[in-house]
Amino acid sequence: QVTLKESGPALVKPTQTLTLTCTFSGFSLSTSGMRVSWIRQPPGKALEWLARVDWDDDKFYSTSLKTRLSISKDTSENQVVLTMTNMDPVDTATYYCARSRSAGGGNLDYWGQGILVTVS
Amino acid sequence: DIQMTQSPSFLSAFVGDRVTITCRASQSITTFLHWYQQKPGRAPQLLIYSASSLQTGAPSRFSGSGSGTHFTLTISSLQPEDFATYYCQQSYNTPLTFGQGTKVEIK
Repeated sequence: QVTLKESGPALVKPTQTLTLTCTFSGFSLSTSGMRVSWIRQPPGKALEWLARVDWDDDKFYSTSLKTRLSISKDTSENQVVLTMTNMDPVDTATYYCARSRSAGGGNLDYWGQGILVTVS
Repeated sequence: DIQMTQSPSFLSAFVGDRVTITCRASQSITTFLHWYQQKPGRAPQLLIYSASSLQTGAPSRFSGSGSGTHFTLTISSLQPEDFATYYCQQSYNTPLTFGQGTKVEIK
């Protein structure tokens, strides 16, 4: 059974750095083809993809946010960490992590429940 | 970045109606197109992957079609539990991108 869960602070101040952890089970990020992405959703708005780390440690970022984002994995702990620097109130959103597989065509087949992060 | 444009942004329909949502990509994405359903306060759930494949557990009244730049999601007979927001997403290349969403409400 695949599960993912986001953890981190619910409230951060402007200019601070946000660190979020995605802890997952039911798959391994050392398995070929596995990938974990971060996606966010401001209140009442659309989904926005942020970053992805692959089984081979390739990393990909949103074009508009890449200077502020860093993603990493800890395969032994089954965790993926996202950091976002210089937080602003417009970054207030629910942040999700989700799994995808290259063999599955890249769809996000399992999602965490999300964590609401407020910047104020 | 590949831009994904959904239409309409909002639709109001009756239970039992046939509903179609369109998603257009700014360049060809072959069939690297996926559809998600999101209910208020919940994480999105995968409905259709690779343009036309029904995700395990998704009701058969949902179907997807298209390739290249033009895609559709169809609900053959709208049910009360289908009132939600639907998003398309491309995985042809990174950065992954989503459409702006289509909110389906009860008429």
